[in-house]
Amino acid sequence: EDQVTQSPEALRLQEGESSSLNCSYTVSGLRGLFWYRQDPGKGPEFLFTLYSAGEEKEKERLKATLTKKESFLHITAPKPEDSATYLCAVQANTGNQFYFGTGTSLTVIP
Amino acid sequence: DSGVTQTPKHLITATGQRVTLRCSPRSGDLSVYWYQQSLDQGLQFLIQYYNGEERAKGNILERFSAQQFPDLHSELNLSSLELGDSALYFCASSVASSETQYFGPGTRLLVL
Repeated sequence: EDQVTQSPEALRLQEGESSSLNCSYTVSGLRGLFWYRQDPGKGPEFLFTLYSAGEEKEKERLKATLTKKESFLHITAPKPEDSATYLCAVQANTGNQFYFGTGTSLTVIP
Repeated sequence: DSGVTQTPKHLITATGQRVTLRCSPRSGDLSVYWYQQSLDQGLQFLIQYYNGEERAKGNILERFSAQQFPDLHSELNLSSLELGDSALYFCASSVASSETQYFGPGTRLLVL
């Protein structure tokens, strides 16, 4: 069964304290892996798409990496405005469904 | 602003009633997706349309239905509403079936 698991469920960081969020997946052939940021009560905001193992993407303080079984979202020197829930989603080669993880709730303390 | 619009923003209704949620995709996007997000669950994929045709179906209840019109806007119909249907309903759109999805602001449904 296609599945996405994110860890940790919640993470509290001091401002400037770098860390990583994990997204592990089991799909029958990966078509794409997606990272989103979601603020409370709002729609997910697209961050990155990764397609193949070894691929990396960066945007400001965020960097996403992909292996054959998991993806990491690295946050370097986070700021309070980075506080949000980060969602990971995968699309399998078979079918068109997207599977979302339950997210990591990140809080960055000034 | 993702360019995806959803109406209404909020909806309060009673059990047993029927409601329609509307979504307009980004200009040029042919695919529309519907998701349900409740407090105790993550984003649950409901259904996808591509250029007017159903492309994929997820955990959508038989009481729920959707369609995509020739102008590419989409509607999600929820009927015989139950308390457990209270949730945020998101619409997303993409250029094609395997492209990045862009989400709308959501419709918050409260069933009393």
